[in-house]
Amino acid sequence: DSGVTQTPKHLITATGQRVTLRCSPRSGDLSVYWYQQSLDQGLQFLIQYYNGEERAKGNILERFSAQQFPDLHSELNLSSLELGDSALYFCASSADPYNEQFFGPGTRLTVL
Amino acid sequence: AQSVSQHNHHVILSEAASLELGCNYSYGGTVNLFWYVQYPGQHLQLLLKYFSGDPLVKGIKGFEAEFIKSKFSFNLRKPSVQWSDTAEYFCAVTRSGTYKYIFGTGTRLKVLA
Repeated sequence: DSGVTQTPKHLITATGQRVTLRCSPRSGDLSVYWYQQSLDQGLQFLIQYYNGEERAKGNILERFSAQQFPDLHSELNLSSLELGDSALYFCASSADPYNEQFFGPGTRLTVL
Repeated sequence: AQSVSQHNHHVILSEAASLELGCNYSYGGTVNLFWYVQYPGQHLQLLLKYFSGDPLVKGIKGFEAEFIKSKFSFNLRKPSVQWSDTAEYFCAVTRSGTYKYIFGTGTRLKVLA
């Protein structure tokens, strides 16, 4: 158990819908990262927050957005979902941006 | 562009064979280096990390990695693999002064019993 929690564990939805994935970092960790992992694309970095502020952006689509709240939990919003958005979405946290990341168990999103 | 390269995408070995997975990065300056492992159906977890000091780093489960600054490399090694080492291995790099945490594309290792 890494100490990072993600909800829900599984999500099945239809194309065109919008979903919200939630992540609670380890106690005390200020950095939160979101990743998308699929068989064809591998592990893709989406976005990073540090203490509530966006710090780095990766291959995140405009249909996706995220935020980190004052209590440091983070949400990833995915809208206008497409079949290709089906993937595992991981959240990770770290005490600082240069150190080890602790990954959550992931949310498996299936878009039908 | 800053990048991390893992040249071997798929590796198949028999048990007891030796393993070396390559990782090269394109940053200059001071870097922190990591190897993560993802066992089937699980999330990524840290195998080992290098920040400074002895360039030969020992991690969990008998893994080690060597930082060679002149070659911008941080290769992962294990003298004798086991079936339970079947997993995907990711190299990652951070650089002081930036918030970027760059992962390589991963190497899928299959160990045959």
